[in-house]
Amino acid sequence: EPEVTQTPSHQVTQMGQEVILRCVPISNHLYFYWYRQILGQKVEFLVSFYNNEISEKSEIFDDQFSVERPDGSNFTLKIRSTKLEDSAMYFCASSYLMSYSYNEQFFGPGTRLTVL
Amino acid sequence: KQEVTQIPAALSVPEGENLVLNCSFTDSAIYNLQWFRQDPGKGLTSLLLIQSSQREQTSGRLNASLDKSSGRSTLYIAASQPGDSATYLCAGPGSARQLTFGSGTQLTVLP
Repeated sequence: EPEVTQTPSHQVTQMGQEVILRCVPISNHLYFYWYRQILGQKVEFLVSFYNNEISEKSEIFDDQFSVERPDGSNFTLKIRSTKLEDSAMYFCASSYLMSYSYNEQFFGPGTRLTVL
Repeated sequence: KQEVTQIPAALSVPEGENLVLNCSFTDSAIYNLQWFRQDPGKGLTSLLLIQSSQREQTSGRLNASLDKSSGRSTLYIAASQPGDSATYLCAGPGSARQLTFGSGTQLTVLP
């Protein structure tokens, strides 16, 4: 069964460093998403992406964040200058969006980002 | 802005019991509602999606209902098993293309 994959599973970085989190969405899906979950808190929406541009973003997704689909399969989230509070599990998701009412999102296993 | 609440935060039941998990949402103009399972330190597994035009959706021992007028959804698990132990999350669209999650119900099924 097709699934969303993410790499790496765990990333440790120093504050101020840039990180790139990578995702391979399900191959025939058209919408891509990033969410994050800080330990012990709710899963929060960051950004959605369609047709090579950002579709929606939350207030969390500030200028330090960017997304890209560099080729036909990968979808990346870049954090330019990491802060301690960026430590979280980052989930990539994808959906086909047959219609607004049928937009089942499928999630990857997550990348745990630890900022020291 | 959509807000999603799940009660209880934790639930412990003996194996074999039927149980209901609750989810409430503030914006009744939702397109759909999705239920997920999350195992500790793992990703989110989609269990069921109920479209706004549906009232129920079934998958195996799981049955989810949606009542837009009351702003509620329930996930019914029949004949619970220890392998069902996990955190169950519900999520409704904050808009067409983003999900707003509840904080989850941590379920423990005791053998």
